[in-house]
Amino acid sequence: QVQLQESGPGLVRSSETLSLTCTVSGGSVSTYYWSWIRQPPGKGLEWIGYVYYTGSTFYNPSLKSRVAILVDTSKNQFSLKLSSVTAADTAVYYCARGLRENILVGDYMDVWGKGTTVTVSS
Amino acid sequence: EIVMTQSPATLSLSPGERATLSCRASQSVSSSLAWYQQKPGQAPRLLIYGASTRATGIPARISGSGSGTEFTLTISSLQSEDFAFYYCQQYHDWPPYTFGQGTKLEIK
Repeated sequence: QVQLQESGPGLVRSSETLSLTCTVSGGSVSTYYWSWIRQPPGKGLEWIGYVYYTGSTFYNPSLKSRVAILVDTSKNQFSLKLSSVTAADTAVYYCARGLRENILVGDYMDVWGKGTTVTVSS
Repeated sequence: EIVMTQSPATLSLSPGERATLSCRASQSVSSSLAWYQQKPGQAPRLLIYGASTRATGIPARISGSGSGTEFTLTISSLQSEDFAFYYCQQYHDWPPYTFGQGTKLEIK
């Protein structure tokens, strides 16, 4: 079965770039839609964006100017870069697989990584 | 952006009781609605998609209903493992996909 694992620094300095990688095992990244979602401490879930295996992306408009999501099919991975971070970006970051019922609607997330905590320090 | 509103914020019930959680969308999302369960320190787990289809391995006591702007997650007889946070998510219109703020289901 498909498993996802996030990796990357747990501490990022304010104004720098947060970089995380999600490794897909038990399946191929060369299909489906692959999302990043975050959860600030004690708060709810926020969708950051997704990448398709072709490299096409969609981002949350609230983060669009600072975010990039890339896919590397040779490594079966996809990654997140979030620039100019502040304390408000402190959160648990999840990667997830998106499934679509049909071409007219978007994705629900059926497989999630365990999450990685990223703290932004000043 | 479609705003998802869940109620109540906290629901206190006893094992064996029936739980009814609500999710309202600021505009129609048709049936493009998913429900997730999250326990402390864990990732969310998909329960329901398409408003009413149970995900693989989800027990029959958990069911979803609704369409348009009003949705309900029902747990017919609460088991100890059901006490957790629950989130709804719309995927009808994006970007962005949006989640409700969550309902905490706690033991009374």
